[in-house]
Amino acid sequence: GAVVSQHPSRVICKSGTSVKIECRSLDFQATTMFWYRQFPKQSLMLMATSNEGSKATYEQGVEKDKFLINHASLTLSTLTVTSAHPEDSSFYICSARRYRNTEAFFGQGTRLTVV
Amino acid sequence: SQQGEEDPQALSIQEGENATMNCSYKTSINNLQWYRQNSGRGLVHLILIRSNEREKHSGRLRVTLDTSKKSSSLLITASRAADTASYFCATDSPGGDKIIFGKGTRLHILP
Repeated sequence: GAVVSQHPSRVICKSGTSVKIECRSLDFQATTMFWYRQFPKQSLMLMATSNEGSKATYEQGVEKDKFLINHASLTLSTLTVTSAHPEDSSFYICSARRYRNTEAFFGQGTRLTVV
Repeated sequence: SQQGEEDPQALSIQEGENATMNCSYKTSINNLQWYRQNSGRGLVHLILIRSNEREKHSGRLRVTLDTSKKSSSLLITASRAADTASYFCATDSPGGDKIIFGKGTRLHILP
C-alpha cells in the first residue's frame, strides 16, 4: 500500500504565530500533493494543488500569502499557516498521488487550534 | 470549491442491510472516486471508476457511473458496524490537476 504521513496530528498555537504542517509520502514518489481544509461535519475543501518543483496552484478564495505551500521534493510538501488567527482553526488534510488521474492517498490530518 | 452533491446527507440502517449512497457532479471528469472517512481521521480510498466504465465491484462495494446523468452510486452490501463512517465521492478533472470532493454521506450502522 501507499502511506502518507502528516505531522503534527494536533497543534495549538497562539494568535499571530506561524505553524508548519508536513506531508510525506513514505513509500512512493508523489508528483502531486493536495491540501484540503475540513470544517466539522463538512466536506473537504481543496485549498491548493502542488506539483514538485513548481509553484502551488491555489483555489479561488484561498490566500496564498496566508497559506504557504512548498513542494520541495517528490516525497515532501509543507503547508505553513502564517500569522494564524482563531478563524484558521480547522482540520487540515494532505493527500498525495503518484500520477495524474489515479487514486490519492491521505495523511491522517492535522487539527489546528489557534488561541 | 465543491463539485458534487451526495444524497442522502445522513443514513442510518440496520446491520446486515444494504446501504446506497448517490453522488451527482457538474463538470466533465476523467474518473470518479469514493472515499471513506472515520471521524476525525484521514480518508481511505475505496474505489475508482473511470469515465468509460459503468460499473465496478470491490468486495462488498459496488459502484456505478452514469456520465450522461453525471451521477454515481455506491452500494455497500451486508453492512457491518465497522462501515459506520462518512463516505465521499470525488471527481478527477480531465487534466488530472485536482480532485474535488462532494459533501458526503454520514452512514450509521445500527447493531
